[in-house]
Order: sequence, then structure tokens, then C-alpha cells
Amino acid sequence: NAGVTQTPKFRVLKTGQSMTLLCAQDMNHEYMYWYRQDPGMGLRLIHYSVGEGTTAKGEVPDGYNVSRLKKQNFLLGLESAAPSQTSVYFCASSLLPDFRDEKYQETQYFGPGTRLLVL
Amino acid sequence: AQKITQTQPGMFVQEKEAVTLDCTYDTSDQSYGLFWYKQPSSGEMIFLIYQGSYDEQNATEGRYSLNFQKARKSANLVISASQLGDSAMYFCAMREGKRTSGSRLTFGEGTQLTVNP
Repeated sequence: NAGVTQTPKFRVLKTGQSMTLLCAQDMNHEYMYWYRQDPGMGLRLIHYSVGEGTTAKGEVPDGYNVSRLKKQNFLLGLESAAPSQTSVYFCASSLLPDFRDEKYQETQYFGPGTRLLVL
Repeated sequence: AQKITQTQPGMFVQEKEAVTLDCTYDTSDQSYGLFWYKQPSSGEMIFLIYQGSYDEQNATEGRYSLNFQKARKSANLVISASQLGDSAMYFCAMREGKRTSGSRLTFGEGTQLTVNP
């Protein structure tokens, strides 16, 4: 049981290049999320998904696209990277709400992060 | 306006002592959830504790407890008997809105805790 995994762990891009970050979870979680963390700040939500085939915008979606073709995978794409997208990217997942146990259902489990540097 | 405010950029505590990390939040929702996560220098995000807005009792998880004061909109984390391994960044986070819309979290800016031997 690997939990939430992210690929790659570290990447350097030049301005204008594109790339895709892969998030995979083996916990059969319905919900998945992409966050970014800039130095000295908390995490900010980029996009999220409440199920296979669905995506929605978070707080800072500009410059990113996402896809959830399979329940266990959530892809984050940068079509034309900019230096402002230099950040650490975290993927997370959580269960579909079941009102019998809020804590268990609400907790988001995070991947180890991907460090992205855009030159 | 900030939805989650952590006013202590850095905190220091002696090993074996208790420490309180402050968190205030701003929401007009009746149903919300409050979380604390720990981020050690290695970078991963580790879930510590959760408090639902309708929970009447303060949440506890081992050495962690959440001092939930709903009227004051505060959700302070209390770590008892601090250990050297508790040195890390601590984030307070909040889920607003319906859980069926995805448990989207808003994070505070964090508090860097240093435990001194």
C-alpha cells in the first residue's frame, strides 16, 4: 500500500516548456487535489476532482490544466511554464464523505511533493 | 481577509514542556472542519488532528489536542511533552462548504516550531 505517490520528485524546466505531473493513489479515494506551496507560505489549492472524469478549479488555477481519466490518477499539466510556477507541488486524496465518521472521511493524505524549478 | 491566521511565525519550546500553536479562522459556514498538519524539514505533510464544527468535545490524538473555541473562532494546537522530533512547520487548515463538493482546504501560513534540548 504505497498511499499517494508523485512523479517526478524534482524537475527543472525552461520558460515556455510544458510538462505533466502525475499523482497516483492506491487507497480507492474518490477525491483528489493538487496544491502548490511557495516559500514561507501554506498550501494553495490549484484544481481538484470529486470523481473520475470530473475536475474543478481551486484558488489558483491559472496556467494549469488537470485530468482525471482514471480514479486512481490525477494529472497536473503546465502548458507553457513560467518562473512564477516555481514551487513545490503536492497531490492529496480523500474519501467520499460518509457521515458516520467525519474525521476518517475528511482527512486528506498527501504525496511527498514535486519540486519544480522554472528558469 | 485571511481565512486562516497563524500569528506566530516561529515558536520555541524546551523539550518535555507543552506548547500551544495559535490558529484563528474566518467563515460564515455552519459546517466546517479544522485540521492541523505537520511538515518536517523533509517536506512531507503529516496529518495530526481534526475538529468538526459540530463536535462539542475538543479533539485529542495522543500528545496532540485541539483547543476549539467556536465563539472566538480559534482552533489552537496543544502539544504536550514536546520532543525533539516535533521540530517542524505546523499548518492549520479549514474545510468550508459541503463535504460532498470535495474537502477543499485553506491553509494558514504556518508556525515553525523549534524544540530545544
